[in-house]
Formats: sequence, C-alpha cells, structure tokens
Amino acid sequence: AQTVTQSQPEMSVQEAETVTLSCTYDTSESNYYLFWYKQPPSRQMILVIRQEAYKQQNATENRFSVNFQKAAKSFSLKISDSQLGDTAMYFCALTQGGSEKLVFGKGMKLTVNP
Amino acid sequence: SQTIHQWPATLVQPVGSPLSLECTVEGTSNPNLYWYRQAAGRGLQLLFYSVGIGQISSEVPQNLSASRPQDRQFILSSKKLLLSDSGFYLCAWSPLNTEAFFGQGTRLTVV
Repeated sequence: AQTVTQSQPEMSVQEAETVTLSCTYDTSESNYYLFWYKQPPSRQMILVIRQEAYKQQNATENRFSVNFQKAAKSFSLKISDSQLGDTAMYFCALTQGGSEKLVFGKGMKLTVNP
Repeated sequence: SQTIHQWPATLVQPVGSPLSLECTVEGTSNPNLYWYRQAAGRGLQLLFYSVGIGQISSEVPQNLSASRPQDRQFILSSKKLLLSDSGFYLCAWSPLNTEAFFGQGTRLTVV
C-alpha cells in the first residue's frame, strides 16, 4: 500500500522568508512519482513540482525546490522568497509506477504574512 | 492542449435526492480519470478511478457510484444523497500514471 504523511497541519512565514514543508511516504515500489500540489482559496488544485524516484537530482521550479531523500522516504518542499500569493493548502502526493492510484497527504495550510 | 471541465460548480440538494456530477476531458485520449472528495479544511479522499471505458475502481464503499460511458467522460452519481455526502468534489485526469490535472471542483451541500 502507498501512504503519504504530512505531520504539520499549519505553518506561517513572513513575506520574503524561506519555509520548508515536510512530507514522508511509504511505498513498496522502486518506480514512483512524488508531487507537491497547491490549493489556494479558489480551491483550484495546481501542480507545483514533481519528482521521479529514479532521478537523484532534486527537482526545482523557480522559487520551489524539493529535498528528496529516497532512503528516508522523505520529500520536503522548500519555498524561497515567500510571497503573499503562496498562501494556500499544500498537498504532497504519490503515485506508484504501474498503479493508477494517486494518493494525497492530508495537506498543510501555509500562511504568508506581510 | 488538454482541458478538463467539471460541472456544476455549486450544488445544493435535499437529502434523499439523486446526484449527477459530470466531468469531461479534451485534447487527450484514454486518460486515467479520478473522483476525489475533500471535506472542509481536509485532505483529498480518492473515491473512484478509471483506466478505460466501463472500468471503475472504487476506493471507499459508500453511497456513491461512478461511470465512464465514453473515453473522456466521467460521472459521479448517487441515487439518494445523505447529509454526509456534502463536500467539495474534484475530478482529475492523468496521462500514464503520472501527475493529475484537476477540474475546478463542485461544492455540494446536502440539506
């Protein structure tokens, strides 16, 4: 079975600072994908970043980067230079190669303060 | 480019009434399709997924059902709604078991 755990329900950060969101997962497969999604107050789910398990290099997308620790089954998201528009729910998600299921963590509410 | 349409955006239904939420995808063929439910302030619960026409996998036994009558159409239904069916329903599609792309969602309130 595949599981995703986000243990921090809520965080806040000051504008322009850096914040790290944590996620751990469990899977029995060697081929899988990890994702971070953002859900702003509009509730539209937006893909922030993806990481293929077979790639050792951590994914980056502008101000967003991940720290992928495969052995520890940890997948954290770092947001640099936080902006007010980053205020949202953030979800970590996992899909295993060969499985059609995309499983999400419970999410974490991030508030960026001016 | 691919787009996903989900409607209606908001729905208020009385207890015991039927439900039909529809989702269609454009610009791709044979996508994986998903229905998720999100309770207020909580995570996404996978309800159903489908890898092809007529192929439905149910994750949570409940008052809901899903159908895929056409390749790019996914329908969520109920014969009799319960109060506990209230929530935010999201349809999503995915190419080849990778990331999912979501519709705008339907806010369902059962009264």
